[in-house]
Amino acid sequence: QSALTQPASVSGSPGQSITISCTGTSSDVGSYNIVAWYQQHPGKAPKLIIYEGSERPSGVSNRFSGSKSGNTASLTISGLQAEDEADYYCCSVSTTWVFGGGTKLTV
Amino acid sequence: EVQLVESGGALVQPGGSLRLSCAASGFTFSSYSMNWVRQAPGKGLEWVSYITSSSSAIYYADSVKGRFTISRDNAKNTLYLQMNSLRAEDTAVYYCARLGHPVFDNWGQGTLVTVSS
Repeated sequence: QSALTQPASVSGSPGQSITISCTGTSSDVGSYNIVAWYQQHPGKAPKLIIYEGSERPSGVSNRFSGSKSGNTASLTISGLQAEDEADYYCCSVSTTWVFGGGTKLTV
Repeated sequence: EVQLVESGGALVQPGGSLRLSCAASGFTFSSYSMNWVRQAPGKGLEWVSYITSSSSAIYYADSVKGRFTISRDNAKNTLYLQMNSLRAEDTAVYYCARLGHPVFDNWGQGTLVTVSS
């Protein structure tokens, strides 16, 4: 199963909004509403920030939002803050779980 | 509070074996499917293995199939990963992760496995 496709890096200024895309296929992202996004700071474990494409776990800022169209899922971070600088990974499921290659966000 | 604490990572020679453990607390371990996910140095995340709450179903990534074995002891609230015939490309931080929502909703801090001579 191939990895999902994410841009290697994105950048934005404090207060701005950015969007990270995650492109899969009709067998994974396109088939199920089981798309998750993870935030990972250096040396730390990944943290779930979006699940079921657009739902936020308790305690996650509403500046994080998710959406999906066809085979592509997207993560939008609004009102960028310095602490948002991290790696972001998407994840979906087909026969097994598959991750995107990760996107480094620079604020 | 959900806590997952991995242990057992070490430096091991190619062809060697290692067993990782993940001690769970703060939730009903026996009600959740569990996974191992790894991350090679400077690389992305890779799902490794999955086990249902009752161990009735187990899956592996093709990259570890036939070499790794996932298991659990619900009485001890512990998840295991037996790794045999280790290769250099198995070098990674190994995370245990609970399955909820159904995605990996809680992760441990990880344990480092280094395969090198």
